[in-house]
Amino acid sequence: GNSVTQMEGPVTLSEEAFLTINCTYTATGYPSLFWYVQYPGEGLQLLLKATKADDKGSNKGFEATYRKETTSFHLEKGSVQVSDSAVYFCALKSGAAGNKLTFGGGTRVLVKP
Amino acid sequence: GAGVSQSPSNKVTEKGKDVELRCDPISGHTALYWYRQRLGQGLEFLIYFQGNSAPDKSGLPSDRFSAERTGESVSTLTIQRTQQEDSAVYLCASSLGLAMTSTDTQYFGPGTRLTVL
Repeated sequence: GNSVTQMEGPVTLSEEAFLTINCTYTATGYPSLFWYVQYPGEGLQLLLKATKADDKGSNKGFEATYRKETTSFHLEKGSVQVSDSAVYFCALKSGAAGNKLTFGGGTRVLVKP
Repeated sequence: GAGVSQSPSNKVTEKGKDVELRCDPISGHTALYWYRQRLGQGLEFLIYFQGNSAPDKSGLPSDRFSAERTGESVSTLTIQRTQQEDSAVYLCASSLGLAMTSTDTQYFGPGTRLTVL
């Protein structure tokens, strides 16, 4: 079946630091990959996505590249801000499993000024 | 426009009681999903409705869980004889229901936090 593994948090870093959150997956077929973000007190929001190998998703300074050879979709941001403090979820959708999303466990990120 | 809404936002109940959680999807979205998020864990898929098709119930953890959807509108998730392990945040999402699922973005509601004492 499908599964997503992401690094456990919390990740604590200073403003302007470089952020990487690792995500690897197991899936049947050719999945689409997603990063969702949950800011404090808010609902889950789509941050970025990639639908095929070597695609790069980007939004709000975050990037992630779909790497089929390593079954990975690591999230990166070059210079984080305090407002990036949130919980980040890696997820996949595989055509074989229909339209439902399979999520990783989430990574809490805390950015200190 | 209005996003996905859920009610109640918080529900505290006693073990053994039944609860109903409500989800109002975005207007025009034919697909609706329920997920569960236990404390410190990722989201688990529960059930998926797509138009008039039979729902995908493959994620429901036991026969105490059921869900209904009226047309392409409101959905209710019912948990009978609640247990302490049912305590979680229950999230609803909706999407346009596009045939090309890779482009069919799910929009999430704020969730209902259920606490079973």
